[in-house]
Amino acid sequence: DADVTQTPRNRITKTGKRIMLECSQTKGHDRMYWYRQDPGLGLRLIYYSFDVKDINKGEISDGYSVSRQAQAKFSLSLESAIPNQTALYFCATSAGTGATTVRGRETQYFGPGTRLLVL
Amino acid sequence: EDQVTQSPEALRLQEGESSSLNCSYTVSGLRGLFWYRQDPGKGPEFLFTLYSAGEEKEKERLKATLTKKESFLHITAPKPEDSATYLCAAEGSGGYNKLIFGAGTRLAVHP
Repeated sequence: DADVTQTPRNRITKTGKRIMLECSQTKGHDRMYWYRQDPGLGLRLIYYSFDVKDINKGEISDGYSVSRQAQAKFSLSLESAIPNQTALYFCATSAGTGATTVRGRETQYFGPGTRLLVL
Repeated sequence: EDQVTQSPEALRLQEGESSSLNCSYTVSGLRGLFWYRQDPGKGPEFLFTLYSAGEEKEKERLKATLTKKESFLHITAPKPEDSATYLCAAEGSGGYNKLIFGAGTRLAVHP
């Protein structure tokens, strides 16, 4: 089974609708991230969370919100979807404090992605 | 402003034709330089982390190197299954695991 899973894998929605993308991980990592990927652009960070009580805005957080329901679950919501939010969305995790080694704990592991189309 | 630039955008190789992908970075206090492979419709798959200039890492036909300004991903005698997009990312001293990604190099290896 995959260590980082995302649901749904594909979603079509209409402008103005609220949608939620979900991410779950079995890696036991403390840190979780949400990115979006657009053609010709690098992955851009939307939000990140270092533990259940610590959530931070990334580079492009406007129009998005997140919820860290548990160590293993991190959800991304689009409150009122707009067409320019059409993109690939990826969740990622990394080991934070508590890892047995220093180097390597920063490596981010990605889920399979959610392809979102906003009409 | 922290920035990562990858070149070329796309590269077409014949099977067995070795080449290199470039990743130039301007990041304050580099903490790590990461290489990922991404297949169509999938999430990025971790390949390597490089921490300091002069460091090299290898995996099968791939070898990553790092200088103070750029990183190279050398592909020796590539096979069609090496076709993918290769992503480079840098973590600066701002830290907190915040990676700055390049746009990637799309590699196509033809038999």
